[in-house]
Amino acid sequence: AQSVAQPEDQVNVAEGNPLTVKCTYSVSGNPYLFWYVQYPNRGLQFLLKYITGDNLVKGSYGFEAEFNKSQTSFHLKKPSALVSDSALYFCAVRDMDTNDYKLSFGAGTTVTVRA
Amino acid sequence: GAGVSQSPSNKVTEKGKDVELRCDPISGHTALYWYRQRLGQGLEFLIYFQGNSAPDKSGLPSDRFSAERTGESVSTLTIQRTQQEDSAVYLCASSLQGWGSRQPQHFGDGTRLSIL
Repeated sequence: AQSVAQPEDQVNVAEGNPLTVKCTYSVSGNPYLFWYVQYPNRGLQFLLKYITGDNLVKGSYGFEAEFNKSQTSFHLKKPSALVSDSALYFCAVRDMDTNDYKLSFGAGTTVTVRA
Repeated sequence: GAGVSQSPSNKVTEKGKDVELRCDPISGHTALYWYRQRLGQGLEFLIYFQGNSAPDKSGLPSDRFSAERTGESVSTLTIQRTQQEDSAVYLCASSLQGWGSRQPQHFGDGTRLSIL
């Protein structure tokens, strides 16, 4: 079985401060990991993915994520948050080594960046 | 347009009525997915189409839910005899290849369904 946990329902930061959104995963084999962002009344937009290779993945809008196999984590980060980063963020995983090929999504983390 | 298109964007209907939701995937995308997103929750997988293969319907919550796709184009999700618990945002996504690929899914803006 595969699953994703986003331990924080909400993250609040001041503009210009670093932003971190946490994600931990559970898979039997090796993971494909994704981050998506959802703005109000919109669908999900792809931010970045980890397949193999470098543990630090760079994505859209200045976001990056660090894959940590020993901690089974894939935290999303941005060095300097903007008010426009306020949105709902989803982490997703699938196990690349099994036939359980569905993407499993976390419950989401609401990010609020105050001016 | 270049993205995934869903219609209607909003649908309000009375309990017991049937509803049909439409999804136009990105041209050339062979894989198409339907998800349900309840308020304050993550995405719940409903059904997956890949090319001409038999769809994966394992996520459909009851036999009131069904979906069709013509070739590699438009898909419709039908909910019969709607119940209040069906109220949610229904999201459609498409990708270049199926589950085995490394390609991300591209989402439409969803249909917000409200059952009175």
